Amino acid sequence: AQKVTQAQTEISVVEKEDVTLDCVYETRDTTYYLFWYKQPPSGELVFLIRRNSFDEQNEISGRYSWNFQKSTSSFNFTITASQVVDSAVYFCALSEAQGNDYKLSFGAGTTVTVRA
Amino acid sequence: DAGVIQSPRHEVTEMGQEVTLRCKPISGHNSLFWYRQTMMRGLELLIYFNNNVPIDDSGMPEDRFSAKMPNASFSTLKIQPSEPRDSAVYFCASSQRTGASYEQYFGPGTRLTVT
Repeated sequence: AQKVTQAQTEISVVEKEDVTLDCVYETRDTTYYLFWYKQPPSGELVFLIRRNSFDEQNEISGRYSWNFQKSTSSFNFTITASQVVDSAVYFCALSEAQGNDYKLSFGAGTTVTVRA
Repeated sequence: DAGVIQSPRHEVTEMGQEVTLRCKPISGHNSLFWYRQTMMRGLELLIYFNNNVPIDDSGMPEDRFSAKMPNASFSTLKIQPSEPRDSAVYFCASSQRTGASYEQYFGPGTRLTVT
């Protein structure tokens, strides 16, 4: 069963528009961790944020913000005032703590294209 | 600080040849992970090491694949013999400690093409 679902395959926006990427996860654990990674066209995977299951406080970092809602098992990511440099594939990932299982389960990724 | 270093960045080889991918984790990190990325299957964990010891190799597709970590600063992923379906981008990642809470830092990847 898919543990992390990113339903949006591709999103295309014009520069300065906001874009929200959806991430829905599935786990039976009470302790788990959620991550977002960015993969720009150059190919490397860049860590963006980590959130633990006990901290539902939303976080903002510059133009990036994250909305974690345990009630809906979602960890959505918003880019405000998008820029061309934001064009990339964004991956949501889940790491479950129980049983020493610290493997990251990645979603399929959402490709964001920001047009000038 | 240097990030995770992988070599080569690109590898083109013929079917049947041996391929060795190399990885140098971030200094001080004691967990190392090998991933494979394809369009069809996305990002898949192949194997991971903790303190140079292989912990879980259940993601290794078959016996043609092997990985070693002889010391804390070096790991290899070997494919012998290689097949066209092995064509993918292979990533190495490291994390500071073992545990679900620690983020993994990825290398730039090795793009492997097997003809």
